[in-house]
Amino acid sequence: GAGVSQSPSNKVTEKGKDVELRCDPISGHTALYWYRQSLGQGLEFLIYFQGNSAPDKSGLPSDRFSAERTGGSVSTLTIQRTQQEDSAVYLCASSPRGSPNEKLFFGSGTQLSVL
Amino acid sequence: DAKTTQPTSMDCAEGRAANLPCNHSTISGNEYVYWYRQIHSQGPQYIIHGLKNNETNEMASLIITEDRKSSTLILPHATLRDTAVYYCIVRSPSNTGKLIFGQGTTLQVKP
Repeated sequence: GAGVSQSPSNKVTEKGKDVELRCDPISGHTALYWYRQSLGQGLEFLIYFQGNSAPDKSGLPSDRFSAERTGGSVSTLTIQRTQQEDSAVYLCASSPRGSPNEKLFFGSGTQLSVL
Repeated sequence: DAKTTQPTSMDCAEGRAANLPCNHSTISGNEYVYWYRQIHSQGPQYIIHGLKNNETNEMASLIITEDRKSSTLILPHATLRDTAVYYCIVRSPSNTGKLIFGQGTTLQVKP
């Protein structure tokens, strides 16, 4: 596709369930980022991928959060045993190489609601 | 990353220029200034970025002071569709390319 694609656009789950969020970056982009945005808050960095490796996982809030990327393309963010405080919009972004002189292209996000 | 300081909110009349200030007094010589905006319920949208020189593109102009401690984003003719949260971000080349977002400025363009 032409832009960063995220699925699902909306996800409602029950507390304690596991969820998987998917991100399809722009074709050819080696750098991929996950962010989350709680209601009324700014964007919080979660994890950065360069290819299939994650050199920066510093933003993952707990060990319930994990992410992987395969084939240097699609990435999945997994949240285990979801809690109500995990409710947020999860945003994915990509850039060609992760250079500081490149802009990030964001997807429209996945709205996660934990009941 | 250098911290940025932006006003919480601003108003602008439709058709007038919107000037959004940003302070980044601890910026280092190799750090870029980036501006993004986020319209309600959408992902952030890139606007412009610069290092030392002023920059202009089809969306906006970026004016960086000579000492690089502050900058101003200028939307030359604001429209109602420019109503959004505007984020000023200082980006370090040693920081894996990630952007650290602050709280931004909520710009309300009024008819």
